[in-house]
Amino acid sequence: IAGITQAPTSQILAAGRRMTLRCTQDMRHNAMYWYRQDLGLGLRLIHYSNTAGTTGKGEVPDGYSVSRANTDDFPLTLASAVPSQTSVYFCASSESWNTGELFFGEGSRLTVL
Amino acid sequence: AQKITQTQPGMFVQEKEAVTLDCTYDTSDPSYGLFWYKQPSSGEMIFLIYQGSYDQQNATEGRYSLNFQKARKSANLVISASQLGDSAMYFCAMREGHGSSNTGKLIFGQGTTLQVKP
Repeated sequence: IAGITQAPTSQILAAGRRMTLRCTQDMRHNAMYWYRQDLGLGLRLIHYSNTAGTTGKGEVPDGYSVSRANTDDFPLTLASAVPSQTSVYFCASSESWNTGELFFGEGSRLTVL
Repeated sequence: AQKITQTQPGMFVQEKEAVTLDCTYDTSDPSYGLFWYKQPSSGEMIFLIYQGSYDQQNATEGRYSLNFQKARKSANLVISASQLGDSAMYFCAMREGHGSSNTGKLIFGQGTTLQVKP
């Protein structure tokens, strides 16, 4: 059982470049989330999707966009990367938008130079 | 707006002893859920325990228990008989349940690093 798969696991990116972090789940969960983790700040929600076809903004959405064309995939795009987006990014999913724990991917470490 | 606070950046505990990790929360929604996650040095997020706001009893999962004090808005994690493998960062999180303005988002605290000493 794969659960949630994130790609790439690590990436170094030049500032100004466009980058898409991929996230796929095989649990048929309705809700999906993108968090970033920074030292001393815990995990902060970037964007979320309660069901396929819908998305919403989290705590720190600026500079990021998402799409949810189907249940399984929830890519996160940085249109023009900046150094402050250097972080570890976690994709997560839950069975529904208001119940159940979150299942996390293994994270994507992104460095923007 | 909902808020989660973990006031202990770091904690030490002797192996085999119990330890309590603090978590306070703030919400105006009467229906909410509280979660604890463990993040070892390898980086993965591991779900530990869940407490619903309407649950009458404190949640327990093996060596983990949640000391839920609703009036004080606290949801402390108690780890009994600490093991070396418990050394990790621990996150408290909250999800509001119902209400017209909430979206079920899980909001995390800043985390507490626990080190278990042999």
